[in-house]
Amino acid sequence: KAGVTQTPRYLIKTRGQQVTLSCSPISGHRSVSWYQQTPGQGLQFLFEYFSETQRNKGNFPGRFSGRQFSNSRSEMNVSTLELGDSALYLCASSLAGNRDNSPLHFGNGTRLTVT
Amino acid sequence: DQQVKQNSPSLSVQEGRISILNCDYTNSMFDYFLWYKKYPAEGPTFLISISSIKDKNEDGRFTVFLNKSAKHLSLHIVPSQPGDSAVYFCAASWYNQGGKLIFGQGTELSVKP
Repeated sequence: KAGVTQTPRYLIKTRGQQVTLSCSPISGHRSVSWYQQTPGQGLQFLFEYFSETQRNKGNFPGRFSGRQFSNSRSEMNVSTLELGDSALYLCASSLAGNRDNSPLHFGNGTRLTVT
Repeated sequence: DQQVKQNSPSLSVQEGRISILNCDYTNSMFDYFLWYKKYPAEGPTFLISISSIKDKNEDGRFTVFLNKSAKHLSLHIVPSQPGDSAVYFCAASWYNQGGKLIFGQGTELSVKP
């Protein structure tokens, strides 16, 4: 069974630009969550989508948005990039979102560098 | 406000010995706890979890203990192997939060041959 796939693996953008990251969950998984990892703040929850609906949201500004498609694939978008957005962005999928022996399974992430 | 804390940034253990990684939490609403292992340039890999209705869960060489009164959990790895060298994160969640996990800062485990 293929794992969680994130594309691209690396991305370099300039301040003010926008970026879209993609995530394909494990087949059959309907929940997709996004996390940001930085050296200072660690792993922080961005948002979760389940059956194409945002089910939960972390404390990030509105520049961070996402969506989920009918095949459970998900994208996240960051607009008006700032230097502080440089981070590893991780996507995780699960059957039902972290319950009943259904833990989150993470992809290898997209490393975003903003210059 | 860090709700999940791993106070030891690093831990070094001899191969074959026990590794004990600790995690403290402050939010009494948490009812589900997980441990993840992370190698460089890879995403976190799920290791083991425990519900707040239990105080122990075992899976092979990995055992997680939960002390609710102390708001403390620990991961025991016995015996430790060099391939266990990685960063270990504990994470917590609570009812109806779906895919939202609160992570600790991580502990880097080094297992020396």
